[in-house]
Amino acid sequence: EVQLVESGGGLVQPGESLRLSCAASGFIFRNNWMTWVRQAPGKGLEWVADIKEDGSATSYVESVKGRFTVSRDNAKNSLYLQMDSLRAEDTAVYYCVRNLGWYNLQNWGQGTLVAVSS
Amino acid sequence: QSALTQPASVSGSPGQSITISCTGTSSDVGSYNFVSWYQQHPDKAPKLIIYEVTKRPSGVSNRFSGSKSGNTASLTISGLQAEDEADYYCCSFAARGKFGGGTKLTVL
Repeated sequence: EVQLVESGGGLVQPGESLRLSCAASGFIFRNNWMTWVRQAPGKGLEWVADIKEDGSATSYVESVKGRFTVSRDNAKNSLYLQMDSLRAEDTAVYYCVRNLGWYNLQNWGQGTLVAVSS
Repeated sequence: QSALTQPASVSGSPGQSITISCTGTSSDVGSYNFVSWYQQHPDKAPKLIIYEVTKRPSGVSNRFSGSKSGNTASLTISGLQAEDEADYYCCSFAARGKFGGGTKLTVL
């Protein structure tokens, strides 16, 4: 059974940093693109970032470029999202997603809540 | 602001069929057969229900079907059931923002 378990969310002040982690199991992690998707309270889904199977390519939504960094450790079956200079508008539930290609987003984690507030 | 446009809400009675549209452009929906649809119940993670326009993942009811015409993709749910009440999102890898704004389905 595929499992994606996010952790690392919490309440932070504007300008602070957080690192989200996603532990993957039940599939060959190193063979899959991975994606972060977020959802602000009461709002729709927003694509945040992607990372290629071997970590050699990444892409980001414009609003997080230069502040967020997606990475992975295939030896640990883990995905990460380093979030710096956090803003109130980054407040959302962040989902770790297995991307089978062409945004066939097959498996989703349960999400972790990031709240940015003073 | 999503590049994919969905109606904010649709509704139907049990047993009826409804269709949710997802309108993009000739550069995304119109050019590629890579549109997916997701169902999200309140406080739950989204679930893939259609991929590559028409394909259903294993375990998804055949009451859900997808199609595409020109720059518009559609999700049809037949034989509406109370459990279908949820938010639905379309997605295209080529679209700015990837996701549509979402459609709230109410089963009357």
